[in-house]
Amino acid sequence: GDSVTQMEGPVTLSEEAFLTINCTYTATGYPSLFWYVQYPGEGLQLLLKATKADDKGSNKGFEATYRKETTSFHLEKGSVQVSDSAVYFCAPPGVTGGGNKLTFGTGTQLKVEL
Amino acid sequence: GAVVSQHPSWVICKSGTSVKIECRSLDFQATTMFWYRQFPKQSLMLMATSNEGSKATYEQGVEKDKFLINHASLTLSTLTVTSAHPEDSSFYICSASAPGVYTEAFFGQGTRLTVV
Repeated sequence: GDSVTQMEGPVTLSEEAFLTINCTYTATGYPSLFWYVQYPGEGLQLLLKATKADDKGSNKGFEATYRKETTSFHLEKGSVQVSDSAVYFCAPPGVTGGGNKLTFGTGTQLKVEL
Repeated sequence: GAVVSQHPSWVICKSGTSVKIECRSLDFQATTMFWYRQFPKQSLMLMATSNEGSKATYEQGVEKDKFLINHASLTLSTLTVTSAHPEDSSFYICSASAPGVYTEAFFGQGTRLTVV
């Protein structure tokens, strides 16, 4: 079945550092791909998505490019802020039909320090 | 994006009692809802998948008689933790999807359950 492999954390960075969180996937076809973010004590929020190969999703300075050739969807941000401290989940290929299971891994905890 | 509201956001109950958690899609019809339990170190475990009007599909190892899921309408799913014990204390999160309308799923804000 479709799945993702995500870089394990925790990741600790200084403010303004460059961030990369790796995510690779296996899927049949070319599904949509997602990154979700979870701030402390909250549910998950969609951070960005890409719906087809070579698409770049972006939001709040974060970017991820859907690379079919490497089956990757790595999350990047050029300059992190303390407010970016959260847990990031690379989501499995998108819900494309009723009843698709939506499973996640452990996520990657990011801590940004001054 | 669409909004999913989960209630309550936190609850404390006595051991042996039951607790009901609601998950509502506020501005869309959710044909499928998912219930997760989040363990320490943020691991999200899918507990069950429910489709409106039919019985939930539970993941392996999840007791369906203990975690009762009802998805009676396109905007509401409930999770009832029956005869709760301290080991059921956790963070429970729901999500809702509408395949064919949205490509992504939308999440509730989570419920912190503490059983004392």
